[in-house]
Amino acid sequence: DAEITQSPRHKITETGRQVTLACHQTWNHNNMFWYRQDLGHGLRLIHYSYGVQDTNKGEVSDGYSVSRSNTEDLPLTLESAASSQTSVYFCASSQAQGYEQYFGPGTRLTVT
Amino acid sequence: GESVGLHLPTLSVQEGDNSIINCAYSNSASDYFIWYKQESGKGPQFIIDIRSNMDKRQGQRVTVLLNKTVKHLSLQIAATQPGDSAVYFCAENVRGFKTIFGAGTRLFVKA
Repeated sequence: DAEITQSPRHKITETGRQVTLACHQTWNHNNMFWYRQDLGHGLRLIHYSYGVQDTNKGEVSDGYSVSRSNTEDLPLTLESAASSQTSVYFCASSQAQGYEQYFGPGTRLTVT
Repeated sequence: GESVGLHLPTLSVQEGDNSIINCAYSNSASDYFIWYKQESGKGPQFIIDIRSNMDKRQGQRVTVLLNKTVKHLSLQIAATQPGDSAVYFCAENVRGFKTIFGAGTRLFVKA
């Protein structure tokens, strides 16, 4: 069955370190998204991609970057981790704009 | 698991009763709406969707109602079960562009 996976599921890192969260989907979807979920804020869009070599900033993109070298993967990099980036991160994919998104299980990131 | 939100609106229902979860959306130009279910420690899961040319859509034990006049969306769950306990949130999409997610409602099912 097609799925979307994230790794690691839990990560603790120190302030200032670079961190990369992996997202891999086997739906063959063109669209992929990264969100963060915090108490009182719901899901907020960090970055998204509509296809290979395409990346776009979301509403909370500062301090994050993504790259899309193939259809299956959209890794999220925190250039220099800050305590404000402690959160649960979700990756999602969809077949096209205007369709439902399928979410991964999430990565809980703690920056100390 | 991860806590989705400690201060979300909460709906408490008895097992076997029907549940109605409401959502007010923000953009009158939104033309596609989705309901998601999120259990503790898991990612959001698609439940049902509806496009703006419809007022009602039914799935298995779930019904979504759309009132464009007042920008209101509701999710009805028939014969609510303990496994339905989760956070439910609606999402709106404008002409295929970015999806906006609501904050969610916590459903608690009493056995």
